[in-house]
Amino acid sequence: GEDVEQSLFLSVREGDSSVINCTYTDSSSTYLYWYKQEPGAGLQLLTYIFSNMDMKQDQRLTVLLNKKDKHLSLRIADTQTGDSAIYFCAAVKAAGNKLTFGGGTRVLVKP
Amino acid sequence: DVKVTQSSRYLVKRTGEKVFLECVQDMDHENMFWYRQDPGLGLRLIYFSYDVKMKEKGDIPEGYSVSREKKERFSLILESASTNQTSMYLCASSLTQSTGELFFGEGSRLTVL
Repeated sequence: GEDVEQSLFLSVREGDSSVINCTYTDSSSTYLYWYKQEPGAGLQLLTYIFSNMDMKQDQRLTVLLNKKDKHLSLRIADTQTGDSAIYFCAAVKAAGNKLTFGGGTRVLVKP
Repeated sequence: DVKVTQSSRYLVKRTGEKVFLECVQDMDHENMFWYRQDPGLGLRLIYFSYDVKMKEKGDIPEGYSVSREKKERFSLILESASTNQTSMYLCASSLTQSTGELFFGEGSRLTVL
């Protein structure tokens, strides 16, 4: 089955860019997602990318997809303290929507 | 806005007790899911349902069951709670089956003593 891997922790200074990385194993994954979980809350969808795209930009967020290496990244420009959260990468195949989540990357933004 | 409500934010139960975790969504979504979240392991799917009275096992169904008697409500049941079921439980719903856009509740943190 699908396996999704992320690094556990990222520390970044306020105003810098953050880059969160994710790798997945199933090349037939059609949609790849980034979810954000703030302290004490459930997950909320940040952005997603379809597998036939290389890049998607949405305000401060840039998603890059390298299908050959099965590597996904999320770049947050001008990182703010409110960006401190756990970020989850997730992948889904075309049939049904059973998402496979990575372990989550805890991002700590230092002033 | 879609709202997914989990009735209990924090529960403390004893080993062997029966535990009910309730989840209600208000957007007429067909699909509902129960995940458990453990540090470093991400979210793991316990059970899901694509329709009323329908249920499918996820990746870690052992020790759990579910009930979906009404479209808006999806309950997770621990028949006999054990300490290794201490975790954060997240309910989610989605409109379609073809994508992974899920709407999550705030979670229920269960401690089994």
